[in-house]
Amino acid sequence: GAVVSQHPSWVICKSGTSVKIECRSLDFQATTMFWYRQFPKQSLMLMATSNEGSKATYEQGVEKDKFLINHASLTLSTLTVTSAHPEDSSFYICSAIDIRRGRNYEQYFGPGTRLTVT
Amino acid sequence: AQRVTQPEKLLSVFKGAPVELKCNYSYSGSPELFWYVQYSRQRLQLLLRHISRESIKGFTADLNKGETSFHLKKPFAQEEDSAMYYCALKQGGSYIPTFGRGTSLIVHP
Repeated sequence: GAVVSQHPSWVICKSGTSVKIECRSLDFQATTMFWYRQFPKQSLMLMATSNEGSKATYEQGVEKDKFLINHASLTLSTLTVTSAHPEDSSFYICSAIDIRRGRNYEQYFGPGTRLTVT
Repeated sequence: AQRVTQPEKLLSVFKGAPVELKCNYSYSGSPELFWYVQYSRQRLQLLLRHISRESIKGFTADLNKGETSFHLKKPFAQEEDSAMYYCALKQGGSYIPTFGRGTSLIVHP
């Protein structure tokens, strides 16, 4: 199956700083990438959908100025958490699909990034 | 709007026992239902989808439109089945699944 990587896998940052998380599709072109937030033992909350070369679509309640998403190429999307606060500490997961392959094409998930804001 | 309900946060069984992870959904159209699994320290991965009508790792799930359910079943649980299981629904025309809150399955030896 296709592989999606995330970097870093774990990051600690100080409150008020910004941190960037990368999501890469390693062996396929991802027209669309999704960013999720997962709380311990809870469901995945979709934050935003990004399409290559266009602005991301954010879900209701997600601050687009705080969670900056860029999908500059068919293999890379980045999520930047700006002015991070302790409440932003979470597990962030990306997933990727190539919609040109049709609706039944599987959505592949990255391993996730653990963000801890101190 | 679609909604996926997994009523059990935790399901604990012994090895060899049957297991059923419940999933109910609400959606007015024709849904596509999925089960995803996340083993400890691993990424989320697709386990099975209702349109495939397949059995993966001994698990099966049947879509019951009358009861709006898509329960995941396995007749004999194994220790390696211990994981988080997420039921998900995709509405027609969408690439984005809606996930349930997940059920943690623990299979004791």
